[in-house]
This record gives sequence, C-alpha cells and structure tokens, in this order.
Amino acid sequence: SQTIHQWPATLVQPVGSPLSLECTVEGTSNPNLYWYRQAAGRGLQLLFYSVGIGQISSEVPQNLSASRPQDRQFILSSKKLLLSDSGFYLCAWSIPRRASAEAFFGQGTRLTVV
Amino acid sequence: QKEVEQDPGPLSVPEGAIVSLNCTYSNSAFQYFMWYRQYSRKGPELLMYTYSSGNKEDGRFTAQVDKSSKYISLFIRDSQPSDSATYLCAMSELTGGGNKLTFGTGTQLKVEL
Repeated sequence: SQTIHQWPATLVQPVGSPLSLECTVEGTSNPNLYWYRQAAGRGLQLLFYSVGIGQISSEVPQNLSASRPQDRQFILSSKKLLLSDSGFYLCAWSIPRRASAEAFFGQGTRLTVV
Repeated sequence: QKEVEQDPGPLSVPEGAIVSLNCTYSNSAFQYFMWYRQYSRKGPELLMYTYSSGNKEDGRFTAQVDKSSKYISLFIRDSQPSDSATYLCAMSELTGGGNKLTFGTGTQLKVEL
C-alpha cells in the first residue's frame, strides 16, 4: 500500500532563517506531488505541484520554492523565512493521469516563524 | 466570489443525529467531487469521492451531488463523537496542466455526548 511521510511535524524558526521541509511517498511510481498551505478559515492553498522529476509548477508567487530531486521525494524550501510564512504545510500525492485527481495527504508540518 | 463556498460552522449536534454538510460551487467544469475529514493538527483524510450527479453511500456516510444546482452534500447518519472534525469538500476538473483540486474552507463539526 502507498504511504506518505512528511517531517518534521512541528517547527519553530526565526525570521530570516532558511527552511527545508521534506516529503517522501512509498508504494507507488511517478506520483503527482503537491505542497499545500492551510491557514485558519482560508482552506487549502495549493503552492506547488509536480508531475515528474525536476518538473515544478508554482501556483502563487511567494517566498518559497520546491524541488523534486527524486521520483518520490518533494522538498519545500525558503532562503529567508518571513513571519507570513507561518502556517500548516501539507504534502500530498495523487495517481498520475487519473481524471478524478483525489489527493492523499501527509500529516503536515506546523511552521511558526518568530 | 470563491469557486467553492462552504459554511465554516462550527456545527454542534447531539450524538446520534443526522448531519448535513454542504458546499456550493460556481465552476460548471468541475466533474469530480470529494469529501475529506481532518482531525485537529492532522492531514486531511479522503472519505469519499463521486463523479457527476447522484448519490454514493459508504456505511454511515452518503455523498450527494446535484450538478444542475452546483451543490454537493455529505450526510452522516448516527453521528458519533469520533466524527468531530473539520470536513472539507474538494472538486476537480480536467485541465491542460493536469488535474488539481479546489477545496472549500471546511466545516467544523462537533458531535456531543
């Protein structure tokens, strides 16, 4: 069966520090991968998605970037965190070329920038 | 106007009640409709998905889609305290860049003893 791992679960970082969140998927090949951010009362905002190694699409301009160095690894990064980067970050995967596109989520990382 | 509208609640019901959760949407291109359950400080968990209009039942849960009204519902029968969570609706359409989900903001449900 497929599993998705996301770490760390919580993170407190000072303003201006770098960020690296990692996500890996097991039990499937060539998944579509996603990074979402969830803010209270605003639902899930899609940040990045990837359909293959090195292929990244950005949904919103921001202080973050994403990379996919391996088929089942997705990394969210920032060179200098802002206070507004605080939030709940979720990694997800879906079956490629499946019309319904239902996504399966990791357990999330709660990031607090202080 | 948001593409997907969902009442944030909170919705509080007694144990055993029938719960009705709803979303409306504006994009007629949406074809697939999903419901997720999210416990506090956890990732969303897929409950059900349906295609086009109609009903789908899974145990105590029933998903209903009315594409003519752009309205979807999730019914929970015999609600339990363990159903207390935030419920998110999500929808997808076929796009040239691959399929992506559009989420509602979620409805917070509390089932009380």
